[in-house]
Amino acid sequence: DAGVTQSPTHLIKTRGQQVTLRCSPKSGHDTVSWYQQALGQGPQFIFQYYEEEERQRGNFPDRFSGHQFPNYSSELNVNALLLGDSALYLCASSLAGGRVTQYFGPGTRLLVL
Amino acid sequence: DQQVKQNSPSLSVQEGRISILNCDYTNSMFDYFLWYKKYPAEGPTFLISISSIKDKNEDGRFTVFLNKSAKHLSLHIVPSQPGDSAVYFCAATSNDYKLSFGAGTTVTVRA
Repeated sequence: DAGVTQSPTHLIKTRGQQVTLRCSPKSGHDTVSWYQQALGQGPQFIFQYYEEEERQRGNFPDRFSGHQFPNYSSELNVNALLLGDSALYLCASSLAGGRVTQYFGPGTRLLVL
Repeated sequence: DQQVKQNSPSLSVQEGRISILNCDYTNSMFDYFLWYKKYPAEGPTFLISISSIKDKNEDGRFTVFLNKSAKHLSLHIVPSQPGDSAVYFCAATSNDYKLSFGAGTTVTVRA
């Protein structure tokens, strides 16, 4: 049973560039959430996708956008990269409804120079 | 606004003894709480959870206690093993599905 997978594992970009990160949820899961984890901090919620729509959004600017595909996989796009966007980006999947546990992928480490 | 706080950034414990990790929250709407464990270069791994209708939940060596009146929860690991050395995150959620995390506690189990 495949868990949550993310690609790429590492990425280096320069300021002003755009980046796309990808996530495949755990088998049977239909909801994908994205989190940003800065060094020394806990993960911060970016947004959640369900039924191909953004269901909820955290306190992140519009430069952060996403998409969910019919097979439940998801992408996170960040435009006009800033140095402060350097972080570990985590994808978590779950089943819709109620108080459900979110299962995390290994993350994508983004470095913005 | 940090709604979930883990005030101890690190904890060192001898192998075989009990590890106690603490977590405080401010949002009274939180009704489901989780603990995750994270090794370097890996994503957080789910450990144990508790609903606000309970005050204790056990799973093997791991027990989570919830004190709603104090807005406090704790994770007990007994006995501690070298493989338990990791960063532990407390998380909480309410009706809005997102998880709010603490900053984490780094546990080191000494042989």
